[in-house]
Amino acid sequence: LAKTTQPISMDSYEGQEVNITCSHNNIATNDYITWYQQFPSQGPRFIIQGYKTKVTNEVASLFIPADRKSSTLSLPRVSLSDTAVYYCLVGDHQAGTALIFGKGTTLSVSS
Amino acid sequence: GAGVSQSPSNKVTEKGKDVELRCDPISGHTALYWYRQSLGQGLEFLIYFQGNSAPDKSGLPSDRFSAERTGGSVSTLTIQRTQQEDSAVYLCASSPPTSGSGEQYFGPGTRLTVT
Repeated sequence: LAKTTQPISMDSYEGQEVNITCSHNNIATNDYITWYQQFPSQGPRFIIQGYKTKVTNEVASLFIPADRKSSTLSLPRVSLSDTAVYYCLVGDHQAGTALIFGKGTTLSVSS
Repeated sequence: GAGVSQSPSNKVTEKGKDVELRCDPISGHTALYWYRQSLGQGLEFLIYFQGNSAPDKSGLPSDRFSAERTGGSVSTLTIQRTQQEDSAVYLCASSPPTSGSGEQYFGPGTRLTVT
């Protein structure tokens, strides 16, 4: 499984755009990149998944460069409620593959 | 629609007792996963079900842990002779048959405290 590295923590203010970068130098050809969000006392929530280039949904954007050795989760105009832990996962994610969660990035949004 | 539900939400038990944790996945989701999360830690994979069979039990920490799934729906995780190190939040997740495992839907978890 590809190892991922992401910052332990980040701070931001309301209304700002937040970019969280994840490094995955050993990503394999069949691997996808998936991001989850977890609030205290809740289970993780799927945010976005991509393979290459850019993916956008109603919550976030995911930017993946051509070499796929890193990815950036972009949260537009964060609010206090975006304070959470964000996990970057890399794997072929075939049915039955367990998700391997690291420590994640703790994002703190202040007013 | 209804999400993944788990019961109980909290369970306090004495060391040495057996506990059963229940997971109701989203209707139609064929894959079901169990994880646990200790305080301030990441998630630890325990077991995966596809339908009623468990192709991957590699994450179960000891033979005190077992799980079953019936009717391709409800799953029960049983911990026998609980130990204090079993204290954690136990999370269940399910995913639909049309996707890989990358998109999993998690329940709220069961917080287990072993005293």
